[in-house]
Amino acid sequence: EAELVESGGRLEPPGGSLRLSCAASGFTFSLYDIHWVRQSPGKGLEWVSVVEPSGDAYFAASVKGRFTISREKAKKSVYLQMNNLTAGDTAMYYCARVSQFVGAFDVWGQGTMVTVSS
Amino acid sequence: DIQLTQSPSSLSAAVGDRVTITCQAGQDISNYLNWYQQKPGKAPKLLISDASNLKSGVPSRFRGSGSKTDFSLTITSLQPEDIATYYCQQFENLPWTFGQGTKVEI
Repeated sequence: EAELVESGGRLEPPGGSLRLSCAASGFTFSLYDIHWVRQSPGKGLEWVSVVEPSGDAYFAASVKGRFTISREKAKKSVYLQMNNLTAGDTAMYYCARVSQFVGAFDVWGQGTMVTVSS
Repeated sequence: DIQLTQSPSSLSAAVGDRVTITCQAGQDISNYLNWYQQKPGKAPKLLISDASNLKSGVPSRFRGSGSKTDFSLTITSLQPEDIATYYCQQFENLPWTFGQGTKVEI
């Protein structure tokens, strides 16, 4: 069964950095786009970033220039490097797989919480 | 960015009621629209892709329709386990965007 597991979230002061990890299992990792979607407490869903199997990456305007994304085939993992964090980055961060057949998130992780506060 | 406007933002209905949530896109997105269900403390779950394709295993009481700019999600007979927040999401182009959500209560 396809599964994604996030880790790395914690309390971090403003201006700090964090690296989130998303570990995949149960499917051929190299074939799929992997996205990050975040949800601020009590709010809606916000798309953050995607990394394609080629390594091509795209970012939301709100994080562009501060976040980077990468993937490691051997570890079947995707990493979201978050720099210069602000309070606005406080959220539950989910990684999600996009279906091979439709542009939909068909597998989601359980999420990892990032809190930016002094 | 393509804006998606969901309505209503919340609704209360009785078990067995027919419930409809709408999602309006700021531009023509063909049928590049999905619907998700999110229960408290859980990750979203895909219900419907490409506006009207029910994901395998999702109860048939969930129905999606629409194209271009106007879409809807209908629950034909609301069940207690359907209490959740529902989101539409477009994948016409990046950045993929979500509607603001509709909270369904009983």
